[in-house]
Amino acid sequence: EIVLTQSPGTLSLSPGERVTLSCGASQSVSGDYLAWYQQKPGQAPRLLIYGASTRATDIPDRFSGSGSGTDFTLTISRLEPEDFAVYYCQQYGTLPITFGQGTRLEIK
Amino acid sequence: QVQLQQWGAGLLKPSETLSLTCGVNGGSLSNYYWSWIRQSPGKGLEWIGEINHSGITHYNPSLKSRVTMSVDTSKSQFSLILTSVTAADTAVYYCTRGVLLRPPWGQGTLVTV
Repeated sequence: EIVLTQSPGTLSLSPGERVTLSCGASQSVSGDYLAWYQQKPGQAPRLLIYGASTRATDIPDRFSGSGSGTDFTLTISRLEPEDFAVYYCQQYGTLPITFGQGTRLEIK
Repeated sequence: QVQLQQWGAGLLKPSETLSLTCGVNGGSLSNYYWSWIRQSPGKGLEWIGEINHSGITHYNPSLKSRVTMSVDTSKSQFSLILTSVTAADTAVYYCTRGVLLRPPWGQGTLVTV
């Protein structure tokens, strides 16, 4: 199975800053079928990005995804207070579908 | 607009069988695969498997020996059976269309073992 490794595990930043989260795959993600989710405490995950770079419905344009093959990134151009959460990546190009372990973004 | 509603027992004892069903309202099971995904505190997000309207299934190898998925097209429902549960199976279970956690998807069921 494809193992996704997210880095860093935890990131402490301030509102207004730019942040880039990484997701590395143990083998190439077929079709660049890579998604990103945001999850806040007590809530279900929220899809942000699919197909490595396509924003999901109603997702603000400060969120952007890029990458291909084995290296993918999620960038938040300017952090808003509501962006502090846990972020997960998911590959869905090869079965079994797998998820990363998450990156926690916390307020500095 | 397609909506998914899921139901099933939320409290189980070790060795019992987990049974969840997901009903598809406002749409057909055809043309899609339908997945079960779970989230537990210990293992994060985990794809359990998928099934299509013809009953073709793909399971996560890590759970394959204990998982059975089925579909009832007459009722527009699909189901998950997970046998011999342990505390490690405690999680919120979601049903969803396709393999992404996005609408249409179920509301999630907390299953505690």
